[in-house]
Amino acid sequence: AQSVAQPEDQVNVAEGNPLTVKCTYSVSGNPYLFWYVQYPNRGLQFLLKYITGDNLVKGSYGFEAEFNKSQTSFHLKKPSALVSDSALYFCAVSPLGSNDYKLSFGAGTTVTVRA
Amino acid sequence: GAGVSQSPSNKVTEKGKDVELRCDPISGHTALYWYRQRLGQGLEFLIYFQGNSAPDKSGLPSDRFSAERTGESVSTLTIQRTQQEDSAVYLCASSSEGGGSTEAFFGQGTRLTVV
Repeated sequence: AQSVAQPEDQVNVAEGNPLTVKCTYSVSGNPYLFWYVQYPNRGLQFLLKYITGDNLVKGSYGFEAEFNKSQTSFHLKKPSALVSDSALYFCAVSPLGSNDYKLSFGAGTTVTVRA
Repeated sequence: GAGVSQSPSNKVTEKGKDVELRCDPISGHTALYWYRQRLGQGLEFLIYFQGNSAPDKSGLPSDRFSAERTGESVSTLTIQRTQQEDSAVYLCASSSEGGGSTEAFFGQGTRLTVV
């Protein structure tokens, strides 16, 4: 079985400050990891993914995430947050090397960036 | 089409009625997912289709819920004898062959309101 945990329901930061959204996962074997964002009244959009290779992956809108196998984490980061980054963020995992490609999502973290 | 299409975008139904939600995935995508998102909450997995394999129905909340997929195209989610707790946004997503390494693309969802 696979699962994802996003330990923070909400993250609040000031514009211009670094933003971190935490994610830990549990899978049998190695994972494929994803971040999605849901802006108010809009559908989910793909941000970035980790498949293999460099542990630091870069995605849309200046976001990046670092895969840490020993800590089973995949935290999302942005060096300087914008008010427009305020949204609901979801981490997701799919197991590598399995015929079961089901995506499992975390509960989501609401990010609020204040001006 | 260019993206995942869901219809209707909004549906209001009376308690006890049956509803059918439709999803047109991106052409060529073998994997198709249904999720439910209650207001302000995370994504709840419902069902997953992968190619010709038997669908993973482990997330369906009750026997009132069922889903079908015709080959690798359209999917319909049916809710029988709707209840007020079924009110939510129902999201469909698809991803291409290549399995779990490929990100899923989401439709805009169907907002179901049971009155």
